[in-house]
Amino acid sequence: AQKITQTQPGMFVQEKEAVTLDCTYDTSDPSYGLFWYKQPSSGEMIFLIYQGSYDQQNATEGRYSLNFQKARKSANLVISASQLGDSAMYFCAMRRANQAGTALIFGKGTTLSVSS
Amino acid sequence: NAGVTQTPKFQVLKTGQSMTLQCAQDMNHNSMYWYRQDPGMGLRLIYYSASEGTTDKGEVPNGYNVSRLNKREFSLRLESAAPSQTSVYFCASSEYEINQPQHFGDGTRLSIL
Repeated sequence: AQKITQTQPGMFVQEKEAVTLDCTYDTSDPSYGLFWYKQPSSGEMIFLIYQGSYDQQNATEGRYSLNFQKARKSANLVISASQLGDSAMYFCAMRRANQAGTALIFGKGTTLSVSS
Repeated sequence: NAGVTQTPKFQVLKTGQSMTLQCAQDMNHNSMYWYRQDPGMGLRLIYYSASEGTTDKGEVPNGYNVSRLNKREFSLRLESAAPSQTSVYFCASSEYEINQPQHFGDGTRLSIL
């Protein structure tokens, strides 16, 4: 069955440090997309970064980068130089071709707390 | 630049009451989705509409119905609300291709007493 696993319920980091949020996925489809979303305490879902299964390079978006290890089926989010505003829930999600209108399958999320 | 708009933002219902959650997007996306978010569960797909004129069940469709009114609007109806439907409901839209992110509304927080 297709599944996203986020094993870290909570992570704590100090400002300006880097942090890695773990995500593993399970699919037998060769074509899929992996996404990370941020959900601050205000509740909205904010798209951060995307990685395609056929992409040769790891995705980067500003302070966000994705450590994509296809053989291990992992897609970890790396946040460099953490800021207080990074405190939020982070969700890893997957879209697969030919599945449920390519809806997202979500992990259960990781709560990140950034302290000064 | 509204994106995805959901109404209402908050609602309290009594068991057995019905209501419709409204969603509209202005990004000309073909696909629209309804998810629910429960504590510790992440988001789960209720129904989706891959394109105007089509709707299909997702992972947790029981107790819900949907209508894709036109390309912009996708509504979710609870016919007879149950306490188990207390949740935060998100509407999202996107293009169909898997490399396109879904854009979410701000959510509707629904409590069933």
